[in-house]
Parts: sequence; C-alpha cells; structure tokens
Amino acid sequence: DAEITQSPRHKITETGRQVTLACHQTWNHNNMFWYRQDLGHGLRLIHYSYGVQDTNKGEVSDGYSVSRSNTEDLPLTLESAASSQTSVYFCASSTSSYEQYFGPGTRLTVT
Amino acid sequence: DQQVKQNSPSLSVQEGRISILNCDYTNSMFDYFLWYKKYPAEGPTFLISISSIKDKNEDGRFTVFLNKSAKHLSLHIVPSQPGDSAVYFCAASAAQTSGSRLTFGEGTQLTVNP
Repeated sequence: DAEITQSPRHKITETGRQVTLACHQTWNHNNMFWYRQDLGHGLRLIHYSYGVQDTNKGEVSDGYSVSRSNTEDLPLTLESAASSQTSVYFCASSTSSYEQYFGPGTRLTVT
Repeated sequence: DQQVKQNSPSLSVQEGRISILNCDYTNSMFDYFLWYKKYPAEGPTFLISISSIKDKNEDGRFTVFLNKSAKHLSLHIVPSQPGDSAVYFCAASAAQTSGSRLTFGEGTQLTVNP
C-alpha cells in the first residue's frame, strides 16, 4: 500500500545543531508540504514543493530549508536549531487536488 | 493574520448527541474547504470537504455547511461517538492564488463522553 513516512519519530537536539527530518512518500504525488503544529496555532506551512527541483517558502520558513531531488522525498533541514523550533513536524503530499495525505509526524525538541 | 479561525479550543458532548464544530475565514478568495481529524501521536486524516459552489455536503454521520456570505463553515457530527474524540482542523484553499496550499485553523479538541 502507498504511504507517507517520516523519520525520526522523535528527536532531541541542542541549540545550534543542524537537523534534517526525512519525509518519504510512495503515492507518486507531485506536491509535498512541511508543516509545524504548535498549540494555539494549528498547522502552519513551512515549505512546499510542486515537483522535482521546485521548492517554495511557506508562512514560517525562516530557519528552515528543503530540497526536492526526486518525487518521493522532501527532507526538511533546520540549519541551526533554536528553542523556538521545538514543535511537532508533519509532512504531507497530494496530487493536483486539495486533499493532502499526512505522515505520522516528528516530535523535535531543541534544548 | 489568521485567515482561518476556530474560536473554540475545545468542545465536550454526550455520546449520541450532535457535535457542531465551527470555523470562520476572512479571505474571500477561498473556494474549497476541508475538515481534518487528528488523533494523538498520528498525522491528520482527511474527513470531508466542500466546494464554494455548494452550501452543504454530507458523508454518513458527517455534514459540512458553508455560509459564504458570513464566511463561516461548520461540521456536524450526528450521532457523536466516543471514537470521534479527536482534534478537528478546518482548512481552506484558494486555487487562483495559492494552488494546492491549505491554510489551517487552530483546531478544536472534541471530547465525546460515553
């Protein structure tokens, strides 16, 4: 069955470290998205991609970067982790329709 | 600015009764709306959607109502079941300006008591 996976599921890192969160989907979807979920803010879009070599900034992109070298993967990199980036991160994918399929999430703690 | 707002952080109902979750939006370009359900330690899952050309969409126990003039939508769950206890997110999209991107509300924690 097609699916979308995220790794690691939990991560603890120190301030200033570079961290990469993986997202892999086997739906063969062109569109991929990264969100962060914080209490009181819901899901906020960090970066998104509509295809290979395409990346775009979302509403909370500062301090994050993504790259899209193939259809299946959209890794999210925190260049220098900050305590404000402690959050739960969700990856999602979709076709040209609006319905997005979400991964199980990665809980990141920056100490 | 928050373009999609869910003003009730939490809602508690009795099993068998109706649950009504509300969502307001400010962007008049939004033309498609979705509801997602999220259990703890899982990703959100799609529940039901509605296009701006409709005012109602029904799927089993779930019905979404859209009032474009008031920029308001609601999700009705009838009858509510304990398994419906989850966080519900409202989301909206504007095809002309944002493609497939979704803007989410803050979420409402629904608790259905047996």
